[in-house]
Amino acid sequence: DGGITQSPKYLFRKEGQNVTLSCEQNLNHDAMYWYRQDPGQGLRLIYYSQIVNDFQKGDIAEGYSVSREKKESFPLTVTSAQKNPTAFYLCASSNSGRVNIQYFGAGTRLSVL
Amino acid sequence: QKEVEQNSGPLSVPEGAIASLNCTYSDRVSQSFFWYRQYSGKSPELIMSIYSNGDKEDGRFTAQLNKASQYVSLLIRDSQPSDSATYLCAVTDFGNEKLTFGTGTRLTIIP
Repeated sequence: DGGITQSPKYLFRKEGQNVTLSCEQNLNHDAMYWYRQDPGQGLRLIYYSQIVNDFQKGDIAEGYSVSREKKESFPLTVTSAQKNPTAFYLCASSNSGRVNIQYFGAGTRLSVL
Repeated sequence: QKEVEQNSGPLSVPEGAIASLNCTYSDRVSQSFFWYRQYSGKSPELIMSIYSNGDKEDGRFTAQLNKASQYVSLLIRDSQPSDSATYLCAVTDFGNEKLTFGTGTRLTIIP
């Protein structure tokens, strides 16, 4: 069953706590992305990675960190420096190449306790 | 900074009618254009992609691209209640790994 798996589906963060969102894909895609979506808003890019061991900041990287140690995995850590973390977090992946078609996981909804 | 603009709606269309969704973009070198459908509480799913000027049809969906005027549209024929969702327009360049999304248009099909 190919696809992009995000876990957990729901996550709660306490004040001052770091939390990590998981994203795994078995599509053999080279590129992976993290987006944040706030209610009634479009998607904003947090970080992206085109190859293993390399990643770039997106438009709203402050307060977040990522790693790309394996092609299949691109975890996102929401650090305590992110003061407004409540949002819907979406992971996507795509093949590198001339056309960038991105496919999304089911998302993780993060709330602050 | 690329911008992608969409009318946020809500857009209400009677069942069986044609729904027309529009999107404009600011970057003239944009080459690839996508429409995603997002049901409430769910993740976006790709429904159409278009790269050349003109129309591209897939079932009840038609994407239209006009690069000179910098707009892309999505037509949904014979609208069904199951088409009620938010439709996101996304734009990128060839070779550019980043997509820029609009804020989405909320479409409601009225039975």
